[in-house]
Amino acid sequence: DTGVSQNPRHKITKRGQNVTFRCDPISEHNRLYWYRQTLGQGPEFLTYFQNEAQLEKSRLLSDRFSAERPKGSFSTLEIQRTEQGDSAMYLCASSLGGAYNQPQHFGDGTRLSIL
Amino acid sequence: DAKTTQPPSMDCAEGRAANLPCNHSTISGNEYVYWYRQIHSQGPQYIIHGLKNNETNEMASLIITEDRKSSTLILPHATLRDTAVYYCIVRPLNRDDKIIFGKGTRLHILP
Repeated sequence: DTGVSQNPRHKITKRGQNVTFRCDPISEHNRLYWYRQTLGQGPEFLTYFQNEAQLEKSRLLSDRFSAERPKGSFSTLEIQRTEQGDSAMYLCASSLGGAYNQPQHFGDGTRLSIL
Repeated sequence: DAKTTQPPSMDCAEGRAANLPCNHSTISGNEYVYWYRQIHSQGPQYIIHGLKNNETNEMASLIITEDRKSSTLILPHATLRDTAVYYCIVRPLNRDDKIIFGKGTRLHILP
């Protein structure tokens, strides 16, 4: 399967711990996006990259959140000092940039539960 | 905020056509209509998009009204596997950044 891959699928951690998620996009896609989804809501945009450059960050992305895409391939999303409100599904998507209106292809997400 | 309005839920009998409406009365001339769906415990899946002409692919058909203020996604022969939340989204023509999702329509396919 050559779709977007996210790991881990589930993460349970105690409040105050740091967590890191990984996203591997579709190989030829140079744009990568992170979204967060809480129960009953649609996904909310967090940030996106074109190659290794982070082009936009949402106001939802507090100082405790950091995303990287060091070589323009896979990306990591780290949350420091997790809080109860961070419990959500974290979704990654990728698309072929350079041509407008390319659809974004999503992974199946990492579900984070804060105890 | 999302620029679209969708009914929160709909039912459709298996084997029948599912017609999902979307209102986007404030759509601009340079904005596309996109549809995604999200099956339980999976990420959103792209279905189809269009600007002003009707579009069809192997998954669905998209009918956009002449004034472009509303559209309908048609699943011609719904199966139980089509049970999902369907999101109608408006995106600018010349931008390739974030998608703004609303709450979508929860479609139940009834056996």
